[in-house]
Amino acid sequence: EAEVAQSPRYKITEKSQAVAFWCDPISGHATLYWYRQILGQGPELLVQFQDESVVDDSQLPKDRFSAERLKGVDSTLKIQPAELGDSAMYLCASSSEVEKLFFGSGTQLSVL
Amino acid sequence: DAKTTQPPSMDCAEGRAANLPCNHSTISGNEYVYWYRQIHSQGPQYIIHGLKNNETNEMASLIITEDRKSSTLILPHATLRDTAVYYCIVKVQGAQKLVFGQGTRLTINP
Repeated sequence: EAEVAQSPRYKITEKSQAVAFWCDPISGHATLYWYRQILGQGPELLVQFQDESVVDDSQLPKDRFSAERLKGVDSTLKIQPAELGDSAMYLCASSSEVEKLFFGSGTQLSVL
Repeated sequence: DAKTTQPPSMDCAEGRAANLPCNHSTISGNEYVYWYRQIHSQGPQYIIHGLKNNETNEMASLIITEDRKSSTLILPHATLRDTAVYYCIVKVQGAQKLVFGQGTRLTINP
């Protein structure tokens, strides 16, 4: 069964450094999502793409976070500079139909 | 989107039916009920969704009350692999944003 691929699986960085996460959605899925999950809480949507266009980035802290999906396939989420409060799991999901999202295993970020 | 209320945790014996409740008293007529689950160290996984009729698939059954103010997800024969956090979400069909709450942490005991 096709899966959403994410890398790296774990990332440790120091405060003020730049970090980047990569996501490869299931082939043919036009919609791609980035979620952030703080320990003990449910995932929170950061940004949603339809093909290469941003549909919703209302919860994305745009002063330090950026996301792109240049060719409408894979996507990169960047944080610069990282802060201690950014420590969380970053999840990517994709869908071809709005009712069923497929999530990757996520990138666990620790900011020291 | 309507808010949902779920118990923070539940336990169930292996082999028994696990019944997970969800209250969504402010649900509107065009909002669907969705269930996802998240096994430790993995991303959430879609389980099932419905509007007003009961639904069943290979993973679970969804029972929605007639007034649609609450629903129950049923795992008919729970196994240890069903230990996870279960999220109940309501949203309008076609609105793509899923808003997760804190869910119910279900523990299946041997």
